[in-house]
Amino acid sequence: DVKVTQSSRYLVKRTGEKVFLECVQDMDHENMFWYRQDPGLGLRLIYFSYDVKMKEKGDIPEGYSVSREKKERFSLILESASTNQTSMYLCASSFRDRGNTGELFFGEGSRLTVL
Amino acid sequence: RKEVEQDPGPFNVPEGATVAFNCTYSNSASQSFFWYRQDCRKEPKLLMSVYSSGNEDGRFTAQLNRASQYISLLIRDSKLSDSATYLCVVISPGGKLIFGQGTELSVKP
Repeated sequence: DVKVTQSSRYLVKRTGEKVFLECVQDMDHENMFWYRQDPGLGLRLIYFSYDVKMKEKGDIPEGYSVSREKKERFSLILESASTNQTSMYLCASSFRDRGNTGELFFGEGSRLTVL
Repeated sequence: RKEVEQDPGPFNVPEGATVAFNCTYSNSASQSFFWYRQDCRKEPKLLMSVYSSGNEDGRFTAQLNRASQYISLLIRDSKLSDSATYLCVVISPGGKLIFGQGTELSVKP
């Protein structure tokens, strides 16, 4: 069964702290994504990666960075957390474009609260 | 104008009702279309693709209207278990998946 695992379901951090969100997939997918989901705004793409050591900015990359050292792992980093980064963070993966099947497999999400 | 727009709802319907959601998209060159379902406090999951000729999966029917740039999802004979948020997804000409903000459905006994 397809599995995308996010390291933490709930985190509480203080303003200015460095935050790491880890995501691991076991499906040998080439593509990995980080989204944040906020009420009324839907899912917004932060960063994505189509290959190891490759990364591309999404729609809202400011305040975030990512790391993809291994194919199965994609990390989201908040260098200095701020209160406006309080959100639900969702990792997703997919195979490299197969006719745009549109199927992303999501992790269960990490709810981050920044105080 | 947002690239993908949905009526956020909530749609409150009784069991057995038929309910329909629409989703409009702004880029006429968009390539592919999908509906995802997200249960409360869970991750989104692919519900169905939307084909130009329309397609059905059990009680669910998806349709695409390219001329008016919208897609729709029809749910017949609603069940309590259909309660969820339904997300419209459009693939842009550049291959990016764009999510709508979701439509909340609540099916009541």
